[in-house]
Amino acid sequence: NAGVTQTPKFQVLKTGQSMTLQCAQDMNHNSMYWYRQDPGMGLRLIYYSASEGTTDKGEVPNGYNVSRLNKREFSLRLESAAPSQTSVYFCASSQYPAGQGNTEAFFGQGTRLTVV
Amino acid sequence: KQEVTQIPAALSVPEGENLVLNCSFTDSAIYNLQWFRQDPGKGLTSLLLIQSSQREQTSGRLNASLDKSSGRSTLYIAASQPGDSATYLCAVPINDYKLSFGAGTTVTVRA
Repeated sequence: NAGVTQTPKFQVLKTGQSMTLQCAQDMNHNSMYWYRQDPGMGLRLIYYSASEGTTDKGEVPNGYNVSRLNKREFSLRLESAAPSQTSVYFCASSQYPAGQGNTEAFFGQGTRLTVV
Repeated sequence: KQEVTQIPAALSVPEGENLVLNCSFTDSAIYNLQWFRQDPGKGLTSLLLIQSSQREQTSGRLNASLDKSSGRSTLYIAASQPGDSATYLCAVPINDYKLSFGAGTTVTVRA
């Protein structure tokens, strides 16, 4: 049971380069999320997708774009990478909105991105 | 604004001792609270979720309690093992889609 799968696991980019982080879940979840984790800042929500076909900004969306390709896949794109985007990126999913009732959020293993 | 605090930031115990991890939140109007485990360089693993209507939730050696009125949750891990060494995070919803996380408690269980 794979759960939430992220690719790549590690990436080094030069300032100004672009890249797409891929995320796929096999739990038939409706909602998907992108978080970044930084020392001293904790986990912060970048974007989320409530359901297939919808996306919304989270707490720190600047410099990022997302695509909910289908129910399984939710990608995060950095159009012009900056050193401030050096972070660990986590994709997550939940059957229903994570803030409701008994809905658990499940996380991927993370993508460690360094922008030099 | 919902603030989530976990104290202490780090904890070291000998094997076999029970672990008590604390999570405090400022806004008691929450629908649930979730505990996660994070191993170094790894993702977050969901341990337990407590709904707002529940007082506690148990899974194996883990027991989590929730006291909404005082804004606190406690994660108990019985008979700790070296394999329990990790960072433990709690999270509460700010809205339907955003979770607010604590900074975590890093646990070391000494063999």
